[in-house]
Amino acid sequence: DAKTTQPPSMDCAEGRAANLPCNHSTISGNEYVYWYRQIHSQGPQYIIHGLKNNETNEMASLIITEDRKSSTLILPHATLRDTAVYYCIVRDHGSSNTGKLIFGQGTTLQVKP
Amino acid sequence: KAGVTQTPRYLIKTRGQQVTLSCSPISGHRSVSWYQQTPGQGLQFLFEYFSETQRNKGNFPGRFSGRQFSNSRSEMNVSTLELGDSALYLCASSLAGGLQANNEQFFGPGTRLTVL
Repeated sequence: DAKTTQPPSMDCAEGRAANLPCNHSTISGNEYVYWYRQIHSQGPQYIIHGLKNNETNEMASLIITEDRKSSTLILPHATLRDTAVYYCIVRDHGSSNTGKLIFGQGTTLQVKP
Repeated sequence: KAGVTQTPRYLIKTRGQQVTLSCSPISGHRSVSWYQQTPGQGLQFLFEYFSETQRNKGNFPGRFSGRQFSNSRSEMNVSTLELGDSALYLCASSLAGGLQANNEQFFGPGTRLTVL
């Protein structure tokens, strides 16, 4: 079973920041938080990941709470092309688990003009 | 660098038949994972292959099998197809095992299988 909980859907106005929350209260010390998104009928796309520090790349920022029980993915200036299902996943980097992702239901983000 | 490729992109089969799907990972990637996506169950992990060996397996019946070749290309096979096997089958590749900082998986476009 997925170890994360996300709201099923969210709306965001184009050009505004989209803040997608994720709860992972049972996360263990060696588990990372990963975010992927899936645009309709395409394969999932990696966005960002982190362990305990906040992370930023060209696509998004990841804010992880100090207790690591929740996180927020931030798309700073959402565009219509950001409309997708966003998945929050926790996984460790142990060699036996590198190729296994457990997806939950994700959050459907609808960016509106 | 070319992405993950999957063939065929679309496939129609009838119940009882078998099917083989192919996945070519990104050059240099040694791990290939397979997932099934259906509207009811979402994205579910099938299995992972690394260096021609199955390393992880999801909770699917034995009708679902796979293999990996020495060039890291992978195939998955579904025998005795059932209507419920209709799904998008996704393949993903990643660099390798071990504790690596960047262990993201890169997904292919998927094969859409319809069982009639």
